[in-house]
Amino acid sequence: DTGVSQNPRHKITKRGQNVTFRCDPISEHNRLYWYRQTLGQGPEFLTYFQNEAQLEKSRLLSDRFSAERPKGSFSTLEIQRTEQGDSAMYLCASSFTSMYNEQFFGPGTRLTVL
Amino acid sequence: GDSVTQMEGPVTLSEEAFLTINCTYTATGYPSLFWYVQYPGEGLQLLLKATKADDKGSNKGFEATYRKETTSFHLEKGSVQVSDSAVYFCALRGVQGAQKLVFGQGTRLTINP
Repeated sequence: DTGVSQNPRHKITKRGQNVTFRCDPISEHNRLYWYRQTLGQGPEFLTYFQNEAQLEKSRLLSDRFSAERPKGSFSTLEIQRTEQGDSAMYLCASSFTSMYNEQFFGPGTRLTVL
Repeated sequence: GDSVTQMEGPVTLSEEAFLTINCTYTATGYPSLFWYVQYPGEGLQLLLKATKADDKGSNKGFEATYRKETTSFHLEKGSVQVSDSAVYFCALRGVQGAQKLVFGQGTRLTINP
């Protein structure tokens, strides 16, 4: 399977704990994006990387959130001191660098904070 | 900032009915426009796109035309099937090198046999 993969698919944690999600993009893609989707809403952009460089971060990405893509391949998204409001589906997407670059989405990681 | 507004759902139709899901946008310049679909238990998939005014995107019997004058990108299909039941998202990518997608809130479509 050459699609975008995300792990874990589901994560349940207690408020105040730290969590980390992983995204493996399509291997030839040099751009990687993170979005957050809450119930009944469309995805909201969080951040994106071109290779290992983080080029844009949304104001939604508070200080408790950090994303990395150390070797320009897989990426991790960490949430520190989780809050109930962090409960959402976290989506990863990847694309080529091109004028009309289509973003291919992974299945998402569903986070529930108790 | 850029935004997308979709018609509120849920939408329920009978098989073979005509489908329209309205989408309007607010953005400067000429953004690229997209429709994504999310089938139950699956990730978002690109359904169709249009990158300039008057372009028509089409795929799997679905069509949408980029209307700059009305800032709209309505999704249509002439005869829906049960397998079209899903959540549909309209999205835009802004100009000037913007990479992020801005999504509407989604419209849940259910097709009854």
